[in-house]
Amino acid sequence: EVQLVESGGGLVQPGGSLRLSCAASGFSFSNYAMSWVRQAPGKGLEWVSAVTGSGDSTYYADSVKGRFTMSRDNSKRTLHLQMNSLRAEDTAVYYCARYDTPRCSGGSCYPGPFDIWGQGTMVTVSS
Amino acid sequence: EIVLTQSPATLSLSPGERVTLSCRASQSVSSYLDWHQQKPGQAPRLLIYDVSNRATGIPARFSGSGSGTDFTLTISSLEPEDFAVYYCQQRSNWPPITFGQGTRLEIK
Repeated sequence: EVQLVESGGGLVQPGGSLRLSCAASGFSFSNYAMSWVRQAPGKGLEWVSAVTGSGDSTYYADSVKGRFTMSRDNSKRTLHLQMNSLRAEDTAVYYCARYDTPRCSGGSCYPGPFDIWGQGTMVTVSS
Repeated sequence: EIVLTQSPATLSLSPGERVTLSCRASQSVSSYLDWHQQKPGQAPRLLIYDVSNRATGIPARFSGSGSGTDFTLTISSLEPEDFAVYYCQQRSNWPPITFGQGTRLEIK
């Protein structure tokens, strides 16, 4: 079964750090780009970051750039999100999601859809 | 950054009714537009990808259409399990990937 399982959430003080993990199973992990998407309580979905299948390239939302670092360990089929300098506005459920195969047309390629989502892990930033 | 605007914010309907949800982009997203369904306490689930393709296991009552900047998700006959929040999402011009603010479908 294709599955993503997040862990590492919890309560942290403003300015603190937390490291989230996402364990993948049931598919060839290194063949897929991956992403983190978050959802503040009662709010909509916000894309946070992405990493290529090889881990060579990462991308971030402006709201987390310079504070969050996304990485992957393909040998362990695991994704990580290191979150530093946390703020109250980072409070959210964090989901990892798999990008399906990229779509390429006319020499340009675009990410595939988020076809698999984890169940999420809650991060609360509060004193 | 491409802004996606969904309308309406909330819809109250009865099982068996037909519903159309709207998603408008601030600039063209070509065909790189997806729809996700989210039920309370659950993760989102991919419903429709590339405007009009149903994801694996999605019933035929769900359909998507549109092009450029205007897109719709139609549910031909609402089932009780369809009452949820629906998000459109673009991946044409990124980063960032962006989502609409969601449309909540409530039972009347």
